[in-house]
Amino acid sequence: KQEVTQIPAALSVPEGENLVLNCSFTDSAIYNLQWFRQDPGKGLTSLLLIQSSQREQTSGRLNASLDKSSGRSTLYIAASQPGDSATYLCAVRVGGTSYGKLTFGQGTILTVHP
Amino acid sequence: EAEVAQSPRYKITEKSQAVAFWCDPISGHATLYWYRQILGQGPELLVQFQDESVVDDSQLPKDRFSAERLKGVDSTLKIQPAELGDSAMYLCASSGGVLGYEQYFGPGTRLTVT
Repeated sequence: KQEVTQIPAALSVPEGENLVLNCSFTDSAIYNLQWFRQDPGKGLTSLLLIQSSQREQTSGRLNASLDKSSGRSTLYIAASQPGDSATYLCAVRVGGTSYGKLTFGQGTILTVHP
Repeated sequence: EAEVAQSPRYKITEKSQAVAFWCDPISGHATLYWYRQILGQGPELLVQFQDESVVDDSQLPKDRFSAERLKGVDSTLKIQPAELGDSAMYLCASSGGVLGYEQYFGPGTRLTVT
């Protein structure tokens, strides 16, 4: 059974700091990996999606990497801002189809203080 | 921009009562997912539809939960009778289109069972 773990569970940083969120998964046979952002009491917003054949994806100040063989992904946030405060979730899609279910980690709660 | 719609946004119900949630996916998306998210945890898949057919309901507590997507468009998730442990956020997501591998989430329904 696929298990996804995120470290740390919570992170508090001053504005402007660069930071890294970690995600590990137990079964390397994934179809892709997706990072989401969730604001309190809200739904999920997709940030980045990395296919199993890719090593990284970038969007603005966000960069996500994937090392499928070691079962790890990182989300790098550059020059953090208070508006980045949210819960960040990683999820892996298993199976051989693009329509398979996502297995989520428990999330990292990020607080960026001014 | 197309979005996944869910209603109601919030629901408070008493133990042993019936409750229902509605989801309208992005137009043209064939795959629809219902997830449950307990506070402080990542979402967990309850049921997945491909058009009107259930393709994965292995984690759905079938003694009290039911889901349908009769015309392959919108969907309803029902709980009867509700229990205290059902208090959670219920998230609907859809995927489809040309690439089809990215899931788009709705705002969720926050259920509180008293």
